[in-house]
Order: sequence, then structure tokens, then C-alpha cells
Amino acid sequence: GIQVEQSPPDLILQEGANSTLRCNFSDSVNNLQWFHQNPWGQLINLFYIPSGTKQNGRLSATTVATERYSLLYISSSQTTDSGVYFCAVEKGNDKIIFGKGTRLHILP
Amino acid sequence: DAGITQSPRHKVTETGTPVTLRCHQTENHRYMYWYRQDPGHGLRLIHYSYGVKDTDKGEVSDGYSVSRSKTEDFLLTLESATSSQTSVYFCAISGRGGEAFFGQGTRLTVV
Repeated sequence: GIQVEQSPPDLILQEGANSTLRCNFSDSVNNLQWFHQNPWGQLINLFYIPSGTKQNGRLSATTVATERYSLLYISSSQTTDSGVYFCAVEKGNDKIIFGKGTRLHILP
Repeated sequence: DAGITQSPRHKVTETGTPVTLRCHQTENHRYMYWYRQDPGHGLRLIHYSYGVKDTDKGEVSDGYSVSRSKTEDFLLTLESATSSQTSVYFCAISGRGGEAFFGQGTRLTVV
């Protein structure tokens, strides 16, 4: 099946710093999503982005489908950005497959 | 928020007992999914459904069965719970090729 690799696995940053999280996938996909899991375990949709670039406030995402990767940018990090960020892909067989996530810890 | 409710939210059960987790949606979405989340593994797909009575296996389906007798409900059953099935279980829904939305999770402990 399709492989989804996220990097880095862990990231510790000072408040105010910027970060880039990467998601590589091993096959062509129909769609790609980014999620944030907050410290209470809730999974929140950030972006539905099969291709192109989207922005939402301090967060933006870019997917280059032809090169099989997606990037999530977080600017001016806040402590509320802490948690785990997941990338998930679907390649036309209805299965949504997740990467193992990037754990982000923002220090005050 | 997408209308997804998981029940129970927490459960402790004994090894060898059957357990059923319920996912209920009010969004009339076609697709429903069950995942388990364990440290170091992210979310792994157990089973999914693409319509009433239409289900298929995911990455880690051994020891689990599912049923979907109506659009709004997707049940996950552990026929005989084992300690390796201690985990947090998440249900998700989506439209075809669309965004997925998650329930709040069920923490299951098998002792």
C-alpha cells in the first residue's frame, strides 16, 4: 500500500519561530489533508489540499502532487500550536492513510 | 463541528470479553472509518465503509469486525478483546474524495 512519511518526527521551537513540516508519499494521490491533534486528543482539519497552495492565518500548506510531497508552514508559532500534526492521503481506493505525525512543542 | 458522536468515550474491559464501539453521524456522509491510535504508530486504519452494508478491511483489521446497517451508524466489534487492543479508537466520516472529520475518540483499556 501507499507509504506516508512525515518529517521531522519531533520539533521543539521557541514561541515566535517559524517551522516547516514535510509529508512525502510513495504514490499518486487523489487528495491530501493536514490535521492537528491538540493536547486533549482532538483531531482538527487544517487543510484539504490535493494540489497547490492554501493559507489560513499563520498556517499555509503547499502540495506538489507530481513530486509527491506536501509542506505545512507555521509562522510566528504560539504555544497553542503545540500538538501532533498529521498528513493523510487517499489514492482513489477510498482508504485514507495517515503518516506517523510530527510532534511540535512550542516553548513560551 | 461535523456531527459525529462516539460511544462510549472510555471503557475498561477484561481480556476475552466482546466489546462494541459505536460511531453515529448526522451528516449523511457515505464514507465512515475506524482508526486506532498508538504511540509511535500514528493513526492506523482498521476498517472502513463506503455505504450501507459495504465495508472493507484496512491496515490492521485482524481481531476486529464492523457493521453498518444504516447510513448514520458504524459499529466496531472486538469479538474477544486482548491487551494488544488497548488503544484510542477514532471514527471518521467523509464524502467521496472529500475532507474527513473525526469524532472525539474512545479510550479502550483491556485488562
